[in-house]
Amino acid sequence: GQQLNQSPQSMFIQEGEDVSMNCTSSSIFNTWLWYKQDPGEGPVLLIALYKAGELTSNGRLTAQFGITRKDSFLNISASIPSDVGIYFCAGPPANAGGTSYGKLTFGQGTILTVHP
Amino acid sequence: DAGVTQSPTHLIKTRGQHVTLRCSPISGHKSVSWYQQVLGQGPQFIFQYYEKEERGRGNFPDRFSARQFPNYSSELNVNALLLGDSALYLCASSGKNTRRHSYEQYFGPGTRLTVT
Repeated sequence: GQQLNQSPQSMFIQEGEDVSMNCTSSSIFNTWLWYKQDPGEGPVLLIALYKAGELTSNGRLTAQFGITRKDSFLNISASIPSDVGIYFCAGPPANAGGTSYGKLTFGQGTILTVHP
Repeated sequence: DAGVTQSPTHLIKTRGQHVTLRCSPISGHKSVSWYQQVLGQGPQFIFQYYEKEERGRGNFPDRFSARQFPNYSSELNVNALLLGDSALYLCASSGKNTRRHSYEQYFGPGTRLTVT
């Protein structure tokens, strides 16, 4: 089945540092989504990307849709303690249809820890 | 506006029992999806419903079933519970009326199911 690989698996950074993480797939994706999940909560949608090469920002967050359509990147600038959480990339496979309609495939997540 | 709501918050069941989990989508959203999230992993797609019809199904056994009501709320039912069904069950709703943007799914806080 479709798999999304996120790296790094975890990051420990100091407050104020910038963060970069990425997500890769062996298959083409037409949409990339980035979510953040806090402990005991559901994932919160951060950014949605729809076009190869697209660069989209949401406050201190910037995400890019890779040119090959097989990867995506998320950057966080000037991290703060509330950035702590698990970041997931997700998307529907390019061949989604039939019984796969509406299905999002998620990566395994990048755990971010921010030290004050 | 209220986000996606789920009930109950936590649930403890015994092997062999059945369980019903409930979800109310964001007002105006007609699509509801269910995901299972095992500790340390990303969410796994179970079902999607749109306008009361099943539109997508993930690789889960027939013990899992769901339905959507005229008010777009949804129930997930799991029969003959196994220890491995212990997980966070997430409901997500989507209100975008194009297929492309329908993948922007908004999650509820989840129901934590423990099977003993």
